[in-house]
Amino acid sequence: ETGVTQSPTHLIKTRGQQVTLRCSSQSGHNTVSWYQQALGQGPQFIFQYYREEENGRGNFPPRFSGLQFPNYSSELNVNALELDDSALYLCASSQQGADEKLFFGSGTQLSVL
Amino acid sequence: GQQLNQSPQSMFIQEGEDVSMNCTSSSIFNTWLWYKQDPGEGPVLLIALYKAGELTSNGRLTAQFGITRKDSFLNISASIPSDVGIYFCAGQLIGTYKYIFGTGTRLKVLA
Repeated sequence: ETGVTQSPTHLIKTRGQQVTLRCSSQSGHNTVSWYQQALGQGPQFIFQYYREEENGRGNFPPRFSGLQFPNYSSELNVNALELDDSALYLCASSQQGADEKLFFGSGTQLSVL
Repeated sequence: GQQLNQSPQSMFIQEGEDVSMNCTSSSIFNTWLWYKQDPGEGPVLLIALYKAGELTSNGRLTAQFGITRKDSFLNISASIPSDVGIYFCAGQLIGTYKYIFGTGTRLKVLA
């Protein structure tokens, strides 16, 4: 069974740039959720994708957007990067249902200078 | 952003001691998950709880889904050095697929 994989592992960008982060879900899972984790805090829900549609969104501006592909992999795009966007971005895959469990990748550490 | 109240914030304990931590909220949840996170890594799932009052064990770990559906508890018995890390609770809001995470409990075990 393949686990959740994220790429890249680390990324450095400058303010105003755009970034794309990628996630491959665990085999057998049809849902991907993205979380932002600032240093010293718990993960914050950005949004979830199910059947290639956004299926719920947290308190993040529209410059945070995403995609889910037919193979259930996903991308997180962030436009007009701000310094506060520096964080660990976590992808979690799950099989949507009554006993849903989130399985996380190792994350992408984004630094915005 | 929205986070659950998790306590204690940090703990220093001796190897072999038992540990307790909890998460509370004013919201009602239909699922509770407990995770452990090591520095620079993603959270690893420890225990999942699906019913109010449910008590579930995973080795030395035991977690309970509070009867009011607003809280959850995690206990670690006979702690060992590899238990060091940050523990997070996550609750799934009723009627949504959204999980909200706690603020984390940082555990340090002294040999």
